Amino acid sequence: AQKVTQAQTEISVVEKEDVTLDCVYETRDTTYYLFWYKQPPSGELVFLIRRNSFDEQNEISGRYSWNFQKSTSSFNFTITASQVVDSAVYFCALSESPHSGNTPLVFGKGTRLSVIA
Amino acid sequence: NAGVTQTPKFQVLKTGQSMTLQCAQDMNHEYMSWYRQDPGMGLRLIHYSVGAGITDQGEVPNGYNVSRSTTEDFPLRLLSAAPSQTSVYFCASGRGYEQYFGPGTRLTVT
Repeated sequence: AQKVTQAQTEISVVEKEDVTLDCVYETRDTTYYLFWYKQPPSGELVFLIRRNSFDEQNEISGRYSWNFQKSTSSFNFTITASQVVDSAVYFCALSESPHSGNTPLVFGKGTRLSVIA
Repeated sequence: NAGVTQTPKFQVLKTGQSMTLQCAQDMNHEYMSWYRQDPGMGLRLIHYSVGAGITDQGEVPNGYNVSRSTTEDFPLRLLSAAPSQTSVYFCASGRGYEQYFGPGTRLTVT
C-alpha cells in the first residue's frame, strides 16, 4: 500500500533561515510520481514540483530545492533564506502506477511552516 | 479557460440536510476526483472518476455519492449531512501526471 509520511507537523523559523521539510514515502511500484504542494493561508493548493521515480536528479528553483533519494524513499524540500511569504502548509504526495495517468494522489498530513520576521 | 471551478465557496448545513457540491472543469480531462481536508489529516480521497459514466471509491467514501454524466462535471452529493463531514472539500481534474485543484468548498455541518 502506498503511504506518505511527513513527520514534522509544525516548524517555526526566523526569516532568512534555511528550512528543510521531510517527506518519506512507501510504495511497491517501481514507477511513481512524487509531488509537493503549498497551501498558503488563503487556502488554495499551489503545485510546486513533480518528480518521477526514474529521475533522481536534485532540482533547484530559486530559493526552493528538492532532494530525491530512492535509497531512503525520501523526497525532501528545502527553502533557502526563508521569507514570511513562505509561511504555509506544505504537502508531499505520491501517485502510483501512473501508466494510464489516471491515478489518485496520496497525500501526507502536511507540515505547517511559520516564518517569523 | 477557467480551469477547475467549485461552488459554493462556503456552506453551512444542519445535520440531516442534503446538498450537492459542484465541480466543473473546462480542460477536457477524463480524470476527476474529490478530496476532503481535515486539520492534521492532509487530503483524503473520497471518490474519483476516470471518465463519464465511471466512478470509484477512494479512502473515505461513506456518506458521499457521486456521478459523472459528462466529462466536464463531477458533483459530490451529501445525502444526510453529519457534523463529521465538516471539512474543506477540493475537487481536482487531471491529464497524465498533472492534477489541477479547484479553490475548495468550506462546509460546516451543525
